[in-house]
Amino acid sequence: EDQVTQSPEALRLQEGESSSLNCSYTVSGLRGLFWYRQDPGKGPEFLFTLYSAGEEKEKERLKATLTKKESFLHITAPKPEDSATYLCAVQASAANSKLTFGKGITLSVRP
Amino acid sequence: GAGVSQTPSNKVTEKGKYVELRCDPISGHTALYWYRQSLGQGPEFLIYFQGTGAADDSGLPNDRFFAVRPEGSVSTLKIQRTERGDSAVYLCASSSTGVGTDTQYFGPGTRLTVL
Repeated sequence: EDQVTQSPEALRLQEGESSSLNCSYTVSGLRGLFWYRQDPGKGPEFLFTLYSAGEEKEKERLKATLTKKESFLHITAPKPEDSATYLCAVQASAANSKLTFGKGITLSVRP
Repeated sequence: GAGVSQTPSNKVTEKGKYVELRCDPISGHTALYWYRQSLGQGPEFLIYFQGTGAADDSGLPNDRFFAVRPEGSVSTLKIQRTERGDSAVYLCASSSTGVGTDTQYFGPGTRLTVL
């Protein structure tokens, strides 16, 4: 069974204090790993797709990386508007497109 | 362009009642997905449509849950004899083709509360 574990559950940062969010996964053949951002009361918003170990993608203050067992979302010099829940999901090769999500990491950035 | 829309945004019902939740995908997207998100949890897959047909309904919890997409666009998730445990946010997503790692774009969700 595909599994995604995210840690920590919650993270509080001071504005400008860089950190990383972890996503550990077990999947029977990874087709893709996805990062989404979710604001309270809204649906998940797509950030990145990673396909293979060693791959990295960046968008503004966010950088996602992938190994064979985990993915990291690095946040550089975060701002209060980066406060949200960050969701990681995997898609298995035989999954017929469904995503398996972790519980998410709630990030709070204080000004 | 317009994103995925869902109606209603909130639905309160009584235990035992029937409810319908509607999803309007991004125009032209052939793949449509339903997920359920309980408080403090990530979204959990329910069903996936490719065009008009359900390609994977392995996530539907029991036979009280049913979904249709008769014309390959709008989809309706139907829940019979609702139970308090059905209370959650029901999310709909669509993707262009549903093939490979096609990006899934989510709607805002319908918050269902069963009293």
